[in-house]
Amino acid sequence: EVKLLESGGGLVQPGGSMRLSCAASGFTFTDFYMYWIRQPAGKAPEWLGFIRNKANGYTTEYNPSVKGRFTISRDNTQNMLYLQMNTLRAEDTATYYCARPLMYTTLAYWGQGTLVTVSS
Amino acid sequence: DIQMTQSPPVLSASVGDRVTLSCKASQNINKNLDWYQQKHGEAPKLLIYYTNNLQTGIPSRFSGSGSGTDYTLTISSLQPEDVATYYCYQYNSGWTFGGGTKLELK
Repeated sequence: EVKLLESGGGLVQPGGSMRLSCAASGFTFTDFYMYWIRQPAGKAPEWLGFIRNKANGYTTEYNPSVKGRFTISRDNTQNMLYLQMNTLRAEDTATYYCARPLMYTTLAYWGQGTLVTVSS
Repeated sequence: DIQMTQSPPVLSASVGDRVTLSCKASQNINKNLDWYQQKHGEAPKLLIYYTNNLQTGIPSRFSGSGSGTDYTLTISSLQPEDVATYYCYQYNSGWTFGGGTKLELK
């Protein structure tokens, strides 16, 4: 059974940094792209970016809205996905989800999400 | 960037109704579109992928159709457990979610 479990959310001050983690299990981690998506309360989800699989060199793509501030990485020995967020702003307040696609794009499996609140 | 516009924003329907939700892309997305259901307090759940493919375990009352810029999610007979917000998501050029349609019971 595919399982994804995010952690690391909480309250952070504007301008601060935070690293989110996503523990993956139930599948061969290196075979799959992995995604981060966020959703402000009461709003639609927003795609943040993804990191490709082993066959595609673990390269990354980012939403222009976060490119340069957010970094996606993975530890394939621990089946962990990470989202490093720097220079956080109030508008980054949201629930952050990791997701695994069916193959490359369709987001078939989601974690339960972790809430990040950026406020002084 | 491709914009995805869902309509209506809110839809009220009765149990047993046939319900149609729409999603319009700002340009041709070549059927590269999924539909997700999100119940209150839960993560989104995949219903339909690549326009018309039913995800494993999803009831057959859900179906998808469309091409070009116009796509539709249909629920053939609305059930109480279908109350949720529904999002379309394109991955033809970039990756974009629609604004959602909130489905309520009348």
